[in-house]
Amino acid sequence: SQELEQSPQSLIVQEGKNLTINCTSSKTLYGLYWYKQKYGEGLIFLMMLQKGGEEKSHEKITAKLDEKKQQSSLHITASQPSHAGIYLCGADGRGGATNKLIFGTGTLLAVQP
Amino acid sequence: GAGVSQSPSNKVTEKGKDVELRCDPISGHTALYWYRQSLGQGLEFLIYFQGNSAPDKSGLPSDRFSAERTGGSVSTLTIQRTQQEDSAVYLCASSLGGSSRGYTFGSGTRLTVV
Repeated sequence: SQELEQSPQSLIVQEGKNLTINCTSSKTLYGLYWYKQKYGEGLIFLMMLQKGGEEKSHEKITAKLDEKKQQSSLHITASQPSHAGIYLCGADGRGGATNKLIFGTGTLLAVQP
Repeated sequence: GAGVSQSPSNKVTEKGKDVELRCDPISGHTALYWYRQSLGQGLEFLIYFQGNSAPDKSGLPSDRFSAERTGGSVSTLTIQRTQQEDSAVYLCASSLGGSSRGYTFGSGTRLTVV
């Protein structure tokens, strides 16, 4: 079965610094999703990537999917306290036809003012 | 409704008791999913409902866990004879159709078994 590994597991950065979170799959990714979770809340959809080499940006967050479609990165530029939370990658492993997403274990991000 | 609603938001129960967790999906969303998130763990898939099809129960950890979805809308996840290892946040999500695109998650129910 497909597994997703995220790194780092946790990250503390100073406000204003850039950071990158990685998500690596044991199998080819046909759909890769990034979600953010704040304590006590559900998951908030950030971005979805499907094509090898695809890159998407929203405000100060950029997500990329590598050409081989087995690794994705999430980059935050000039981090702010509002970026703090748990970032989870989720994978749709079978061309969008699967019934469910599998998720990585998450990356806990803290941003120090 | 505007979003996925879960209740209760927090539940503390004694070991051995049964609990019911409720999920009210977005109106019109035919697919409904239950996930479990334990401390230090990622999201663990539990069960998936799609329309009138038989649910995918492949993620249920034991026969103490069951779920139903009445009228294609509200779903209830029941845990019988709760154990301490059942303590977790139980998240519900809904989406349009059977594709995994466009999941919307509820805020979850934090279950603590003491």
